[in-house]
Amino acid sequence: SQQGEEDPQALSIQEGENATMNCSYKTSINNLQWYRQNSGRGLVHLILIRSNEREKHSGRLKVTLDTSKKSSSLLITASRAADTASYFCATDAQYSGGYNKLIFGAGTRLAVHP
Amino acid sequence: DTGVSQNPRHKITKRGQNVTFRCDPISEHNRLYWYRQTLGQGPEFLTYFQNEAQLEKSRLLSDRFSAERPKGSFSTLEIQRTEQGDSAMYLCASSSGQAGSGNTIYFGEGSWLTVV
Repeated sequence: SQQGEEDPQALSIQEGENATMNCSYKTSINNLQWYRQNSGRGLVHLILIRSNEREKHSGRLKVTLDTSKKSSSLLITASRAADTASYFCATDAQYSGGYNKLIFGAGTRLAVHP
Repeated sequence: DTGVSQNPRHKITKRGQNVTFRCDPISEHNRLYWYRQTLGQGPEFLTYFQNEAQLEKSRLLSDRFSAERPKGSFSTLEIQRTEQGDSAMYLCASSSGQAGSGNTIYFGEGSWLTVV
């Protein structure tokens, strides 16, 4: 089963606006990663935030992590039409097999209109 | 190109046929993962390898599915007696260590399977 849940499922904005996507998860994690996926393509890694970090920046991206609420957010500032894609959060936690693996949510589909 | 490479990119097969997908990870990456993704959903974990050892296999991987990584480099995912429900994109990924250590996992472009 999937660990994370993204909210909203779909987001439609105008170019230049900011886009915020949220992710909630259930178990303790080592880190949380955000990925982007263009339609029909593979996943591109955007940013990794460790469980002891609260905020991380990369270019126009800002990720926050609140382990007490088991939630994370991805903010894309000054969005562009090229940001149109699906965005996934993936949690890395140690599961019953004793090994770590990424578990993905269902994603947020972002549409940025020119 | 030094990224994760997957072949074929697209495969259409008749129900009941066998299909095999190949993944070439990033050179020197000892961890290799297979995921499956259906339309509108996030990727679902199938299995992963450290070097040639298959460390974990999801319950999603029925007896018709088998994955190998014989020399700890490339991997194959075989689906026997395909069913329409197997139609999905199969994603391969690799990393240089355990995800828990903070190593980024890099994904390939995926292999689309359509079972007709």
